[in-house]
Amino acid sequence: DGGITQSPKYLFRKEGQNVTLSCEQNLNHDAMYWYRQDPGQGLRLIYYSQIVNDFQKGDIAEGYSVSREKKESFPLTVTSAQKNPTAFYLCASSMSGGVSYNEQFFGPGTRLTVL
Amino acid sequence: KNQVEQSPQSLIILEGKNCTLQCNYTVSPFSNLRWYKQDTGRGPVSLTIMTFSENTKSNGRYTATLDADTKQSSLHITASQLSDSASYICVVSTPFYGGATNKLIFGTGTLLAVQP
Repeated sequence: DGGITQSPKYLFRKEGQNVTLSCEQNLNHDAMYWYRQDPGQGLRLIYYSQIVNDFQKGDIAEGYSVSREKKESFPLTVTSAQKNPTAFYLCASSMSGGVSYNEQFFGPGTRLTVL
Repeated sequence: KNQVEQSPQSLIILEGKNCTLQCNYTVSPFSNLRWYKQDTGRGPVSLTIMTFSENTKSNGRYTATLDADTKQSSLHITASQLSDSASYICVVSTPFYGGATNKLIFGTGTLLAVQP
């Protein structure tokens, strides 16, 4: 069963705590992405990785960290420095090489709520 | 500034009726334009992707158009069904500088409700 999985589906965190969101893909895609979705706003890019062991900041990287030690996995850590972390987080992946199409496939999302 | 604007923000139609959603963009350079469907609490799913040279693309009851000169796109839904109730997001793709993949610029979406 191919695709992108994210876990957990719902996550609750107390203020001051770091939490890590999981994203795994078995599509053999080189590139992976993390987005944040807030009500009334378009998805915003947090971090992206085009190959293993390399990642770049997106538009709203402050208060977040990532790692890309394996091609299949791209975990996102929401640190206590993120001032407004309550949001819906989406992971995506795409094949690299060939800028024209490069369709991004999205996971089911993780809803993070800070209590 | 790269922006994607969609209208209307929300729309209610009766089952079986047609509707058209609009998208205007100011993104450069342009790679392609996509329409995604997002069910509540789920990840977006791609409906169509169009490059600069494509004017129309269909996927079942969904037909997207692109006018690259005026930087406008529309998504037409024919014979709507209750399962069409979702948010429809227009996304314009632009190359990452020096990269081998694309950055996506997302619209805020049109929330469609299909009523029986």
